[in-house]
Amino acid sequence: GAVVSQHPSRVICKSGTSVKIECRSLDFQATTMFWYRQFPKKSLMLMATSNEGSKATYEQGVEKDKFLINHASLTLSTLTVTSAHPEDSSFYICSARDWTSGIPQEQFFGPGTRLTVL
Amino acid sequence: QKEVEQDPGPLSVPEGAIVSLNCTYSNSAFQYFMWYRQYSRKGPELLMYTYSSGNKEDGRFTAQVDKSSKYISLFIRDSQPSDSATYLCAMSASGGSYIPTFGRGTSLIVHP
Repeated sequence: GAVVSQHPSRVICKSGTSVKIECRSLDFQATTMFWYRQFPKKSLMLMATSNEGSKATYEQGVEKDKFLINHASLTLSTLTVTSAHPEDSSFYICSARDWTSGIPQEQFFGPGTRLTVL
Repeated sequence: QKEVEQDPGPLSVPEGAIVSLNCTYSNSAFQYFMWYRQYSRKGPELLMYTYSSGNKEDGRFTAQVDKSSKYISLFIRDSQPSDSATYLCAMSASGGSYIPTFGRGTSLIVHP
């Protein structure tokens, strides 16, 4: 099956620093990747849709200058949380769509990144 | 009213029990229904996928969709401790980007 990796799995940083999270599709090309945020006992909240070679589409209420997304290749998308603050602490999960899977709605999720901002 | 409602639980059952997990939704345009399983500190993985109404069975898992009631279910037979996880329902409309709307997930605990 399609595999998506995410790095780092966990990061602790000081308030005001920027953090970059990488999402890679390991065995397929992902023209579309998604970034989610998940709070404890809450649903996955879609932050943005990332298309290779173009600007990301952000969901309403998500600050695009705060959460910078770059999808420079068919296998890599990055999320940079700029000037992180404690309220940005969360579980960030990326997913990728493999259009060859036969199920257009299917997304393959990465293992997630736990961000803690002190 | 949220588009997708799902009881967060936790739902605790003994090993071998039949588990019923449910979601309700309000958007009648939803046609694709999915169940994801998420283990602690991991990303979700697709468990079952159904289109429109009806049942779909895969081993110990059965997904059921009742579009008239806007209600979907996931049944797990002969539940095992390894089934302990959070189960998220997800659904999407046809066309467009197919981006699903997720429920908040139900935490399931199967104790030996």
